[in-house]
Amino acid sequence: AQSVTQLDSQVPVFEEAPVELRCNYSSSVSVYLFWYVQYPNQGLQLLLKYLSGSTLVKGINGFEAEFNKSQTSFHLRKPSVHISDTAEYFCAVRPMHRSNTGKLIFGQGTTLQVKP
Amino acid sequence: DAGVTQSPTHLIKTRGQQVTLRCSPKSGHDTVSWYQQALGQGPQFIFQYYEEEERQRGNFPDRFSGHQFPNYSSELNVNALLLGDSALYLCASSSSRGVNTEAFFGQGTRLTVV
Repeated sequence: AQSVTQLDSQVPVFEEAPVELRCNYSSSVSVYLFWYVQYPNQGLQLLLKYLSGSTLVKGINGFEAEFNKSQTSFHLRKPSVHISDTAEYFCAVRPMHRSNTGKLIFGQGTTLQVKP
Repeated sequence: DAGVTQSPTHLIKTRGQQVTLRCSPKSGHDTVSWYQQALGQGPQFIFQYYEEEERQRGNFPDRFSGHQFPNYSSELNVNALLLGDSALYLCASSSSRGVNTEAFFGQGTRLTVV
């Protein structure tokens, strides 16, 4: 079984400041890792994903994340946030079996509030 | 490419009624998954359809059922609605070809049970 824990329910930050959204996971099998963003009244948009290779993954809108296997973490970072980054962010894992192409296990979400 | 489309966008139903939600996958995708997202929570996996069969199921009662059509579109049916079924229902499509494929999400259907 898999589980995902997002360590902060809300993260307030001032515009142009750096931000880190924390995600830990637990799994008995190997998993792929994802970060999704959800703007109000919308579906989920993929920010970035870790499948294999370099542990530092770059995504859209200037976000990046680092996979740490020993700490089972996949923290999301951005060096300078904008007002438009205000949204809900979800960390998710997916078992590495081909039949599981759609089965994602999500964390509870972190609300990023960017203040002017 | 229209991406993943869901209908309707909003729906209000009365407790005890039945509801059907619809999803058209992204072009080229053959697998459809459904998720329930309660207010303030992360999405919860309901089930996944591939080749017109339910392949995997999350921890949801039998009141939740689905169907996939030959054109890969899908329906989610919920019977005997409860107030607790009020949520955003998300459809995601993906491809079974290759293991490194991502799931694309629709905008969701907001179901309110009164």
